[in-house]
Amino acid sequence: RKEVEQDPGPFNVPEGATVAFNCTYSNSASQSFFWYRQDCRKEPKLLMSVYSSGNEDGRFTAQLNRASQYISLLIRDSKLSDSATYLCVVNGIYGGATNKLIFGTGTLLAVQP
Amino acid sequence: AAGVIQSPRHLIKEKRETATLKCYPIPRHDTVYWYQQGPGQDPQFLISFYEKMQSDKGSIPDRFSAQQFSDYHSELNMSSLELGDSALYFCASSFSRVTATSTDTQYFGPGTRLTVL
Repeated sequence: RKEVEQDPGPFNVPEGATVAFNCTYSNSASQSFFWYRQDCRKEPKLLMSVYSSGNEDGRFTAQLNRASQYISLLIRDSKLSDSATYLCVVNGIYGGATNKLIFGTGTLLAVQP
Repeated sequence: AAGVIQSPRHLIKEKRETATLKCYPIPRHDTVYWYQQGPGQDPQFLISFYEKMQSDKGSIPDRFSAQQFSDYHSELNMSSLELGDSALYFCASSFSRVTATSTDTQYFGPGTRLTVL
């Protein structure tokens, strides 16, 4: 079982739709949480950090539930340019290890015109 | 703003050859991480360095080694290359304000695409 699990999709949605991605993580010692976006054959780019109180950045809203070890990302008013793979990422200190990122398998989003 | 620089961007090698990948972190970043992403896979952590010392080790084969230099750039050395080493290799950097255990944001370079024939 992977440490970070996501629905791989693909999610095919029309422009303007609202889409939600979910993610669960297994290590309760995890300390920081992120959503990264990765376009085909490109590097992962930080979309947003995720905080317990929830945070919003324009059309994007992220939520963290530590008790359930669950992370979500909501995208409103989808644009064609939102088409990408969305990676749920967890960062923590494990048995002396430092700061490595653990990636989910990613959820592919395809926004259709 | 300056980003993480990786070179070369593409590399083709034969089996059993060696390869060296270079990473130049964002200016003032003191921590460098290496990740390997195979086809259709998520990035897997290989190794990291903080202030020129190895800070963590992941699923890095014994055939691979890495180091961070005094100017904070890092090199990943890969020997006895195998077909399965074909992947995208990303370097990421961060600024650890206090110690290497900080959880500061990592920024990724464009990657080196290694193809082993």
